[in-house]
Amino acid sequence: DIQMTQSPSTLSASIGDRVTITCRAGQNVFNWLAWYQQKPGTAPKLLISQVSSLENGVPSRFSGSGSGTEFTLTISSLQPDDVATYYCQHYTSNHVTFGQGTTVEIK
Amino acid sequence: QVQLVQSGGEVKRPGASVKVSCQASGYTFTNSGISFVRQAPGQGLQWVGWISPYSGNVHYAQKLQGRVTLATDSSTSTVYMELRSLRYDDTAVYFCARAVFGDYEGGFDYWGQGTLVTVSS
Repeated sequence: DIQMTQSPSTLSASIGDRVTITCRAGQNVFNWLAWYQQKPGTAPKLLISQVSSLENGVPSRFSGSGSGTEFTLTISSLQPDDVATYYCQHYTSNHVTFGQGTTVEIK
Repeated sequence: QVQLVQSGGEVKRPGASVKVSCQASGYTFTNSGISFVRQAPGQGLQWVGWISPYSGNVHYAQKLQGRVTLATDSSTSTVYMELRSLRYDDTAVYFCARAVFGDYEGGFDYWGQGTLVTVSS
């Protein structure tokens, strides 16, 4: 299985800051990459699929980019509601792998 | 609206089996694959496996191969996950989730509420 490594593990930023989370794959994952937001006690929520396709209803301050082995999730202006853990995910026909997660906090 | 409703929490002894159900509604059941994902307390997300309700094709995480089985009942639009020979480290919340399109592509856009499986002696 392809390893997905996120950085940083924890991030502390101020309201209004631009926040970037990185996800690196052990080998080329093409555009088979998604991003999720998870708040405590709830199921993950799909934010972005296919690297950069924003799901309906997700605020436009979220964006995804990258290709091959390096991908980023960017929050353009951090809001209090964005406090959560974020996961990247690679999917193929025979396995699915998640990154270890990045917890975003307000400074 | 699309909904995935899971069965209630379970407490099992080590070595026992558990079966978790996930009933889908609000869309054509055979159009999308269903995966199970688990999350141990305070830990990240781990994929368990996926099944195609259309073809019956299944794929399981290598770590759980041989202990897990996914199955569908199209008459009730329900997916079942059975995990056998339970160990303490199987204690987790188990989620079912629907593929955005096809059997696995695009990620998972709808999730069940989660089922806590506790393995305890």
